[in-house]
Amino acid sequence: SQTIHQWPATLVQPVGSPLSLECTVEGTSNPNLYWYRQAAGRGLQLLFYSVGIGQISSEVPQNLSASRPQDRQFILSSKKLLLSDSGFYLCAWSVPGGNTEAFFGQGTRLTVV
Amino acid sequence: GENVEQHPSTLSVQEGDSAVIKCTYSDSASNYFPWYKQELGKGPQLIIDIRSNVGEKKDQRIAVTLNKTAKHFSLHITETQPEDSAVYFCAASLSSNTGKLIFGQGTTLQVKP
Repeated sequence: SQTIHQWPATLVQPVGSPLSLECTVEGTSNPNLYWYRQAAGRGLQLLFYSVGIGQISSEVPQNLSASRPQDRQFILSSKKLLLSDSGFYLCAWSVPGGNTEAFFGQGTRLTVV
Repeated sequence: GENVEQHPSTLSVQEGDSAVIKCTYSDSASNYFPWYKQELGKGPQLIIDIRSNVGEKKDQRIAVTLNKTAKHFSLHITETQPEDSAVYFCAASLSSNTGKLIFGQGTTLQVKP
């Protein structure tokens, strides 16, 4: 069966520090991968998606970047965090080539102080 | 691009009553409409979905209806129970390759015992 791992679960970082959140998927090949952000009391905003290794599409201009160094690994990064980067970050995957269910990780609660 | 509006933002019902959450979408090319339930501190999980070639779908106490002409779809929960309390998100997808989901703002459902 397929599983998605996302870590860490919580993170407190000072303003100006770097960020690296990692997500890995098991049990499937060539998944579509996504990073979403959920601000307090808000919906899920799509930040990045990837349909293959090294292929990253950005949905919104921001202080973050994403990379996909391996087929089932998706990394969210920042060189210098801003207060506004605080939020709940969710990684997700779906089967490629069709409109199907997206499976979400458990999320990372990031607080920038 | 696609935009999804969800109402209401909060909904409080008595146990045993029905709950209805409504969403509208902007892009008539959207063809996949999932509903997710998110419990506190966790990632969203799919509870039901519908495709544009179907008008209604039911799974036990949960049903979804789709009106393509009006570009809106709704989630119906009957005989609500306290464990139905959570945040519910609708989403729409129009890409068959990337599988991107555009989410509504979410509805916080409280079922009072």
